[in-house]
Amino acid sequence: GQQVMQIPQYQHVQEGEDFTTYCNSSTTLSNIQWYKQRPGGHPVFLIQLVKSGEVKKQKRLTFQFGEAKKNSSLHITATQTTDVGTYFCAGPSYNTNAGKSTFGDGTTLTVKP
Amino acid sequence: DAGITQSPRHKVTETGTPVTLRCHQTENHRYMYWYRQDPGHGLRLIHYSYGVKDTDKGEVSDGYSVSRSKTEDFLLTLESATSSQTSVYFCAISEIGGNTIYFGEGSWLTVV
Repeated sequence: GQQVMQIPQYQHVQEGEDFTTYCNSSTTLSNIQWYKQRPGGHPVFLIQLVKSGEVKKQKRLTFQFGEAKKNSSLHITATQTTDVGTYFCAGPSYNTNAGKSTFGDGTTLTVKP
Repeated sequence: DAGITQSPRHKVTETGTPVTLRCHQTENHRYMYWYRQDPGHGLRLIHYSYGVKDTDKGEVSDGYSVSRSKTEDFLLTLESATSSQTSVYFCAISEIGGNTIYFGEGSWLTVV
């Protein structure tokens, strides 16, 4: 079945440093979504990318969808303590039931003030 | 936050007992999902529904059953709880399958 892998699993940064997490799917995705989960909280939707090569920005966050629609990245510029949490990517494969998305295991970001 | 209510939010139960978790939505979304989250495993899909009485298995469905008799309600049942089912369970909804997912606040289940 479809597998979605994220690296790194953990990332510790000093406040002000940049952070990037990578997401790789074993199958071509019809879209990719990114979610953030604060410690003790529930995942919250951040963004969805649909087009091959698409790049979207949300303030200090930059999201990219690969040309082959099998990988994606999330880059945070100048991290802040409010960025702490686990970031998940998820997406439905073209060749499976579109009703469900497979999630990566997430990248947990800690920020040292 | 999307209108999703999970109950109970916390439960401790004994091995072998049945447990039902409830999810109620006020968004009239077609798709509803049950995920479990365990350390090191991210979010794993248990079952999902694409309409009233229409359900399908996810990647970790063994030991779980679901029912959806109304658009707004999705029940997850553990027929005979085991310690391996100790987890955080998230209900989620989506207007379109495979698109943006909104999560409930979670139900913490401990099986002793």
